[in-house]
Amino acid sequence: GESVGLHLPTLSVQEGDNSIINCAYSNSASDYFIWYKQESGKGPQFIIDIRSNMDKRQGQRVTVLLNKTVKHLSLQIAATQPGDSAVYFCALLQGGSEKLVFGKGTKLTVNP
Amino acid sequence: DAGVIQSPRHEVTEMGQEVTLRCKPISGHNSLFWYRQTMMRGLELLIYFNNNVPIDDSGMPEDRFSAKMPNASFSTLKIQPSEPRDSAVYFCASSLGATGGYSNQPQHFGDGTRLSIL
Repeated sequence: GESVGLHLPTLSVQEGDNSIINCAYSNSASDYFIWYKQESGKGPQFIIDIRSNMDKRQGQRVTVLLNKTVKHLSLQIAATQPGDSAVYFCALLQGGSEKLVFGKGTKLTVNP
Repeated sequence: DAGVIQSPRHEVTEMGQEVTLRCKPISGHNSLFWYRQTMMRGLELLIYFNNNVPIDDSGMPEDRFSAKMPNASFSTLKIQPSEPRDSAVYFCASSLGATGGYSNQPQHFGDGTRLSIL
């Protein structure tokens, strides 16, 4: 089955710094990847997605990079703000189904 | 725009009681998902529907759990009888899915039901 791992369970950064959250996956057939942000007491919130035919996608202050060769996904947050403090999950779609497989999450803490 | 709506937000009940969780997906979405989140196991997919039809229920823990989707705008997850180990946060999500998969659309989550079984 698919497994999704994260390199660090926690990440602490200073306000204004850039943050990078990493994710590794094992199934090379996965073709759709998503990053979610979950704040305390709320559901996961969609941040950005990327399809396997791309290696980079940018949103507002966020960039997702996909390296299919080493099966690695990363989320970059520019100029991190206190409101970015949350748990971040990577997730990927198993080919041929709607089943998202989630990583265990990285807790990002932004220090003022 | 209205997102996924779940009710109740919190539920505390005694073991052995029946629990019913409710979900209203985003209008126009045709795939609906039920997840359970715990500290130990993270986010687990329990079951998902496409066009009101259950597609994969392999994540449903046991026969005590059942889910229905009588129409495109409503789904329930029922636990009967409930047990303390069922305590968790239960999320519903919806997406613009495609029959047979490969829709590559993000799932949008509700804010969950925090369930405590005493």
